[in-house]
Amino acid sequence: NAGVTQTPKFQVLKTGQSMTLQCAQDMNHEYMSWYRQDPGMGLRLIHYSVGAGITDQGEVPNGYNVSRSTTEDFPLRLLSAAPSQTSVYFCASSSQGYSNQPQHFGDGTRLSIL
Amino acid sequence: GNSVTQMEGPVTLSEEAFLTINCTYTATGYPSLFWYVQYPGEGLQLLLKATKADDKGSNKGFEATYRKETTSFHLEKGSVQVSDSAVYFCALSGTGGGNKLTFGTGTQLKVEL
Repeated sequence: NAGVTQTPKFQVLKTGQSMTLQCAQDMNHEYMSWYRQDPGMGLRLIHYSVGAGITDQGEVPNGYNVSRSTTEDFPLRLLSAAPSQTSVYFCASSSQGYSNQPQHFGDGTRLSIL
Repeated sequence: GNSVTQMEGPVTLSEEAFLTINCTYTATGYPSLFWYVQYPGEGLQLLLKATKADDKGSNKGFEATYRKETTSFHLEKGSVQVSDSAVYFCALSGTGGGNKLTFGTGTQLKVEL
């Protein structure tokens, strides 16, 4: 049972580099989202998608891009990495975009920007 | 906007002790409320949920009751085990449509023998 799979698990970047964090789910979930986790701040929503071809911004979208070309995949792109983007990133999915649906989380990507 | 406030940790308990982690929220309308647990090196897992006032969510000996009058969703367990050591997050989900979660800052629980 794969669930939500994130790659890579760890990454170190230099300031100004770009990269893509991958997220894939095999549960045919319509709703997918990206969060970042920082000490003392809980998790904050970056971007989300209610279905293929539809994305929207969350609480902290600046510096990140997303796209949703398939139901299964929801990559997160850092265009020009900054030290402030050092964080642990979690991808999540749920079967529907309704508020009572629990979300399934991946194991996270730990990203360090030097 | 929506917000969640939960008690700061770390909380250290002896095995078989009673656990309470306080959580209060601010939201318009009728949000759904969740407790998620994060074990070291892992992602978040749903522990329990409640979707309307006076609902009680329960799982693995943990309970929480959705109290609209006090805007609270406190997590309780009667007898904790070492294996319960983890970080616990209280969260609420969108009164404005969609499934956007607003999280508390998390409470680290350490259970000792």
